[in-house]
Amino acid sequence: NAGVTQTPKFQVLKTGQSMTLQCAQDMNHNSMYWYRQDPGMGLRLIYYSASEGTTDKGEVPNGYNVSRLNKREFSLRLESAAPSQTSVYFCASSEAGAGGETQYFGPGTRLLVL
Amino acid sequence: GENVEQHPSTLSVQEGDSAVIKCTYSDSASNYFPWYKQELGKGPQLIIDIRSNVGEKKDQRIAVTLNKTAKHFSLHITETQPEDSAVYFCAAVPGSFNKFYFGSGTKLNVKP
Repeated sequence: NAGVTQTPKFQVLKTGQSMTLQCAQDMNHNSMYWYRQDPGMGLRLIYYSASEGTTDKGEVPNGYNVSRLNKREFSLRLESAAPSQTSVYFCASSEAGAGGETQYFGPGTRLLVL
Repeated sequence: GENVEQHPSTLSVQEGDSAVIKCTYSDSASNYFPWYKQELGKGPQLIIDIRSNVGEKKDQRIAVTLNKTAKHFSLHITETQPEDSAVYFCAAVPGSFNKFYFGSGTKLNVKP
């Protein structure tokens, strides 16, 4: 049982390049989330998926797109990377998406945009 | 949306001392308040949580208190150990869906 896995662990991009961050969970959870973590700002929700087939914007969705590929996988895409998107990205999942559930986090992807 | 403020941003204590981290929230609809611990290079992990119908919860050396009237909640760690050194985040969850609003984090350093 690996929990939540993320690939890649680290990536360097040039401004304007695109990339997709991958996330998968093996806990049969319905809900999945993408956060970014910046120094002094905690974790901020980018997008979330309450259940397979649905996605919604979080606090900071601009510049990102997501795909809930199936129940296990939730990907985050940067179409045209900007230096302001340099951050650590975390994927998380929870059982049903109801208020008050534990979110389980992956190990993160460190992204540097030059 | 919800706004969560967390203090202090850094906290240094001697091994064996207690540590207290405080958070305030703005949305009176928030009803779930988890605390996460993040070790270097890893993702956050839940250490304790409290719901709005409870004033205090304890799990061994850690405890959380909630004051709904004042809209603040606190994490208390007693008998700190070097392995408690990490970044701690509080969060508030308003409404019926599981959207977390995190504080900015507290870096705790426990000196041996």
